[in-house]
Amino acid sequence: DAGVIQSPRHEVTEMGQEVTLRCKPISGHDYLFWYRQTMMRGLELLIYFNNNVPIDDSGMPEDRFSAKMPNASFSTLKIQPSEPRDSAVYFCASSLSKGASETQYFGPGTRLLVL
Amino acid sequence: AQSVTQLGSHVSVSEGALVLLRCNYSSSVPPYLFWYVQYPNQGLQLLLKYTSAATLVKGINGFEAEFKKSETSFHLTKPSAHMSDAAEYFCAVSEGTGANNLFFGTGTRLTVIP
Repeated sequence: DAGVIQSPRHEVTEMGQEVTLRCKPISGHDYLFWYRQTMMRGLELLIYFNNNVPIDDSGMPEDRFSAKMPNASFSTLKIQPSEPRDSAVYFCASSLSKGASETQYFGPGTRLLVL
Repeated sequence: AQSVTQLGSHVSVSEGALVLLRCNYSSSVPPYLFWYVQYPNQGLQLLLKYTSAATLVKGINGFEAEFKKSETSFHLTKPSAHMSDAAEYFCAVSEGTGANNLFFGTGTRLTVIP
């Protein structure tokens, strides 16, 4: 399996622009997670989906952030409008099932810089 | 609520020396505990996990961790450090009630000195 795939790997944009991050989970995995990693706050869970349905979006920082999962093999995280404080590495992860002991498999991340 | 504390944001060891990365957890229910490794410019990779079976867990690349309930700890060790072990290591906890939301520590950057 190719693992979790994320694109783009790097994104540089200007404040106010829309940014769309993409993720393809491992085939057959029912859970998809979006994380943000910053120096100040470490790794934070933003939102997760089960069978394409958003389950918990309490980590989404504000209304500028939105996430969708139109099908089992694709998810997007959108920031509109972007701000410099959104600069971070965004990771997508997927897992096979819900169990608390289930391993999450991470993608390589998208490094976002908002100028 | 679950949380994880990693003592020491940076650890340096000589090649061949013991690696010890500390992790203490807080959980209101029996926890599941994980160690992930992140190499530069890569995503996180699972090293090992504790799932309430054996308290001493062996993982990849020669790492192991011991769950100690009395100390609420899950420290990561490796007998002999290799240059390729240089990376950032994250401890994480998930609640044992069916949800696999992970709560990560702040990470420990391991440097291996030749």
